[in-house]
Amino acid sequence: DADVTQTPRNRITKTGKRIMLECSQTKGHDRMYWYRQDPGLGLRLIYYSFDVKDINKGEISDGYSVSRQAQAKFSLSLESAIPNQTALYFCATSDLGRGYTFGSGTRLTVV
Amino acid sequence: AQSVTQLGSHVSVSEGALVLLRCNYSSSVPPYLFWYVQYPNQGLQLLLKYTSAATLVKGINGFEAEFKKSETSFHLTKPSAHMSDAAEYFCAVSDRRYGGATNKLIFGTGTLLAVQP
Repeated sequence: DADVTQTPRNRITKTGKRIMLECSQTKGHDRMYWYRQDPGLGLRLIYYSFDVKDINKGEISDGYSVSRQAQAKFSLSLESAIPNQTALYFCATSDLGRGYTFGSGTRLTVV
Repeated sequence: AQSVTQLGSHVSVSEGALVLLRCNYSSSVPPYLFWYVQYPNQGLQLLLKYTSAATLVKGINGFEAEFKKSETSFHLTKPSAHMSDAAEYFCAVSDRRYGGATNKLIFGTGTLLAVQP
């Protein structure tokens, strides 16, 4: 099994719908992150969490929310999806900056 | 605040030629620096990382990078390009401090490497 598992791998949804992207990890890391990737923009941080009770906004958190259900689970929600949220989303975990482990990504299309 | 700038969104080299991908960083505190590679339709894979030990860092697949504090650079090189090196490469920086640190990973915008036969 992968160290960081993201579900679903691909999703097409309609404008205005609520959608949740899920991430689970077996690394035992406390720190988890959600990034989105857009062509030409690299990866940008949406939210990050240092433990179950510590949630922080990243540089592009508007329109998104997160839930850290357990040390191993970190979900990203789009309350009302819009087309410019079409992107590739990555979940990652880290151990004090010495290395990040990324999931395989979720490709989200909002139509 | 930390940031990285990758010079050249697209780089094309011939097979067997030197690969040089440029990255300059900005950081008010000593940084950790990383290079990641993303192959088509895949996630990110760590190539190498600088964490304050040797300034010349060797990574996987024959890549290496040199941390130059005076130039605030962390360029990625490979002596001889292979067709399988075609991918997108991302430079990233994070805060080295532990106590109270954000420890966020800040990415550059990426460089797409094409390798011509």
